[in-house]
Amino acid sequence: DTAVSQTPKYLVTQMGNDKSIKCEQNLGHDTMYWYKQDSKKFLKIMFSYNNKELIINETVPNRFSPKSPDKAHLNLHINSLELGDSAVYFCASSYRTRSYEQYFGPGTRLTVT
Amino acid sequence: AQKITQTQPGMFVQEKEAVTLDCTYDTSDQSYGLFWYKQPSSGEMIFLIYQGSYDEQNATEGRYSLNFQKARKSANLVISASQLGDSAMYFCAMSLSYNTDKLIFGTGTRLQVFP
Repeated sequence: DTAVSQTPKYLVTQMGNDKSIKCEQNLGHDTMYWYKQDSKKFLKIMFSYNNKELIINETVPNRFSPKSPDKAHLNLHINSLELGDSAVYFCASSYRTRSYEQYFGPGTRLTVT
Repeated sequence: AQKITQTQPGMFVQEKEAVTLDCTYDTSDQSYGLFWYKQPSSGEMIFLIYQGSYDEQNATEGRYSLNFQKARKSANLVISASQLGDSAMYFCAMSLSYNTDKLIFGTGTRLQVFP
């Protein structure tokens, strides 16, 4: 049983397209996150939602829009994709009171050509 | 500004030996948390260990221990009795208080365990 799942695992698309990545967790956590890991393996938080409410919004282009329909799901929609968006995107979840123990999904490798 | 520094881009260790992965941090906050995550070649991030800034004892989880030296602002990960499956990237991370959601990650250390 997958705790944090992401779809798709791989995503190859052309510049200018719009794409979405979906994330679901079945751990009963109340907080979910999106991270971006670049080609140098540097991992940086993008967004965080607690009970569907946005609580962290780092300096991310507004082409990136997260949506949390319920506390078990956090999707990431990206408009007008650019070459620099190529990266691995990780979803994670935790309890708010134990935010240090985050459970990560398997990642989505996005390649923009 | 808060920052995590991992100065070892790569480390090698022989199976069954212990290895220390270095991590230093910079923050003016008094309350913070320090963590280590493992990322195997399959890509997923795995939580290993946590240390709170007010915890007096070093955290341990099985073969993992966190050597916390507050005055030096270091939080080194010690892996005892290395196994081939320990080969992975290891990331040190920090949060600014016990309940913050924002983790700041270091650049990682690639550990390779050889027979």
